Amino acid sequence: QVQLVQSGAEVKKPGASVKVSCKASGHTLSNYNIHWVRQAPGQGRDWMGIIRPSGVTAYAPKFQGRVTMTRDTSTNTVDMDLKSLRSDDTAVYYCAREVDHSYNFDSWGQGTLVTV
Amino acid sequence: QSALTQPASVSGSPGQSITISCTGTSTNIGTLNFVTWYRQEPGKAPQVIIFDVNKRPSGISHRFSGSKSDNTASLTISGLQAEDEAEYYCCSYDGASSIYVFGAGTKVTVL
Repeated sequence: QVQLVQSGAEVKKPGASVKVSCKASGHTLSNYNIHWVRQAPGQGRDWMGIIRPSGVTAYAPKFQGRVTMTRDTSTNTVDMDLKSLRSDDTAVYYCAREVDHSYNFDSWGQGTLVTV
Repeated sequence: QSALTQPASVSGSPGQSITISCTGTSTNIGTLNFVTWYRQEPGKAPQVIIFDVNKRPSGISHRFSGSKSDNTASLTISGLQAEDEAEYYCCSYDGASSIYVFGAGTKVTVL
């Protein structure tokens, strides 16, 4: 069974950085595009970026310069680092899998609450 | 403010049909067929119920259908059931900015 399991909730001070991890079970993460999406309280959802099987990344302009996505094939994990945190970065962060350039996300992590 | 516009809530009685609209622009819904509808219940991960405007993944009821006209996509739930209560939100790839854009979500209530 395909499952994405994310790291636990974080509380950070403004200006700090946070790393959220996304670990796969039931499949090899490095075979898929992995996306990160966040939802702030009472706000809509923001697409943050993508990391491809090759390791190539693309980030939304809103987060460019502050976000870094990396993958570790040995642990079947993808990490998302967000730096220079502000209060409006308080949100639930999700990783999501895209299969075969389908432009949709068929499997999601459970979400990680980051409070700044 | 979300890039795609959805109504905040839609309600209907059991057995009725409801439609949720999702309005974008010519750079996303208007010219691309990468519209996805997700269902999400509180505390749970989102689930794809419609992809590529009108395709259903295996295991999704035929009561769910999708369509598109100009810059607006729509999700129709036929034969509304109590179990359909959830939040539904739309998502589209935007070709001009090369990002994914989302609607704010619509809460469906079964009366």
